Amino acid sequence: NAGVTQTPKFQVLKTGQSMTLQCAQDMNHEYMSWYRQDPGMGLRLIHYSVGAGITDQGEVPNGYNVSRSTTEDFPLRLLSAAPSQTSVYFCASSYSREVGNQPQHFGDGTRLSIL
Amino acid sequence: AQSVTQLGSHVSVSEGALVLLRCNYSSSVPPYLFWYVQYPNQGLQLLLKYTSAATLVKGINGFEAEFKKSETSFHLTKPSAHMSDAAEYFCAVSDRPGNTPLVFGKGTRLSVIA
Repeated sequence: NAGVTQTPKFQVLKTGQSMTLQCAQDMNHEYMSWYRQDPGMGLRLIHYSVGAGITDQGEVPNGYNVSRSTTEDFPLRLLSAAPSQTSVYFCASSYSREVGNQPQHFGDGTRLSIL
Repeated sequence: AQSVTQLGSHVSVSEGALVLLRCNYSSSVPPYLFWYVQYPNQGLQLLLKYTSAATLVKGINGFEAEFKKSETSFHLTKPSAHMSDAAEYFCAVSDRPGNTPLVFGKGTRLSVIA
């Protein structure tokens, strides 16, 4: 049981490039989410999904796309990378029933630098 | 909408001293409250969770937190700090009935001095 797996762990991009951050979980969790962590800002929700085929925006969705074709995977796409998207990105998952009452299981993060 | 304020972005304590990390929440309905810990280069791990069963909640690694409705607070404490407690701690809130994503505070970095 691997939990929540994020790849890659580190990535450097040039401004304007696109890329996909991968997130997979093997716990059959319906709810998955993406956060970004910036110094002094805590964790801010980018997008979330309550099940396959259903996604919604969080607090800071601009510049990011998501899709949820399977229960296991929830990739985050940067359409045209900007230096302001330099951050540490975390994927989390939980059961979806009363999601706010569920402990979130976090991946180890992807550290992304945009030059 | 719910929100969380963590007082103090950095707290430093001596080994063996009391740890007190402050969290105040804002919610229009009774909330669910959580404390998470993040060790360097890792994701967040759940320390403890308030569900209304008891106002004093015990978590892992000797930490506990007390829910005080009158003060809208959920402060995290540990009687005696250990070097291994050095980490970043996040308070998080969700409104009941709990169908909304968690909102996290900005975090408090705990340093433990030998």
